[in-house]
Amino acid sequence: EVQLVESGGGMVQRGGSLRLSCAASGFTFSSYWMSWVRQAPGKGLEWVANIKQDGSEKYYVDSVKGRFTISRDNAKNSLYLQMNSLRAEDTAVYYCATTRGGVNYFDYWGQGTLVTVSS
Amino acid sequence: SSELTQDPAVSVALGQTVRITCQGDSLRSYYASWYQQKPGQAPVLVIYGKNNRPSGIPDRFSGSSSGNTASLTITGAQAEDEADYYCNSRDSSGNPHVVFGGGTKLTVL
Repeated sequence: EVQLVESGGGMVQRGGSLRLSCAASGFTFSSYWMSWVRQAPGKGLEWVANIKQDGSEKYYVDSVKGRFTISRDNAKNSLYLQMNSLRAEDTAVYYCATTRGGVNYFDYWGQGTLVTVSS
Repeated sequence: SSELTQDPAVSVALGQTVRITCQGDSLRSYYASWYQQKPGQAPVLVIYGKNNRPSGIPDRFSGSSSGNTASLTITGAQAEDEADYYCNSRDSSGNPHVVFGGGTKLTVL
């Protein structure tokens, strides 16, 4: 059974940093692109970043470029999101998701972790 | 970057057929995928590719596409289908960026 378990969320002050983790199991982690997708309270889904199987390619939505860094450790079956210079508008539930079809769809999702940026 | 546009809300009578649409330039190049999200839960993939359903998704869910418009059709809507539905596709920038539609709230009457 595929499982994705996010952790590391919490409350942080504006300008602060947070590192999210996603522990994967039940599939060959190193064979998948992986992504982070977020959802602000009461709002829709927003893709944040994705990373190729070997970590050689990383892409970001413009609003987080230069502030967030996606990474992975295939030996630990883990995905990460380092978030720096956090803003109020980064407040959201952050989901990790397996990414398939030429980076076109997300077939498995974690339960999400809430990040709240306070001013 | 690209944008995907969805109607904010759609309703359907129990047992009837409903179509939820998603419009955007990127859909001329890439298939849309569709997700169902119920309150307090993570999204669930219901349609991907030309018209593929993951294991466990009922066959009343189907997808189609024409030009810049993708559609999710629920044939014989059930009460448990009441949820938010999101489309997404890769955007047309040439990089593997992804764009989501704003979501459609489906109410089953």
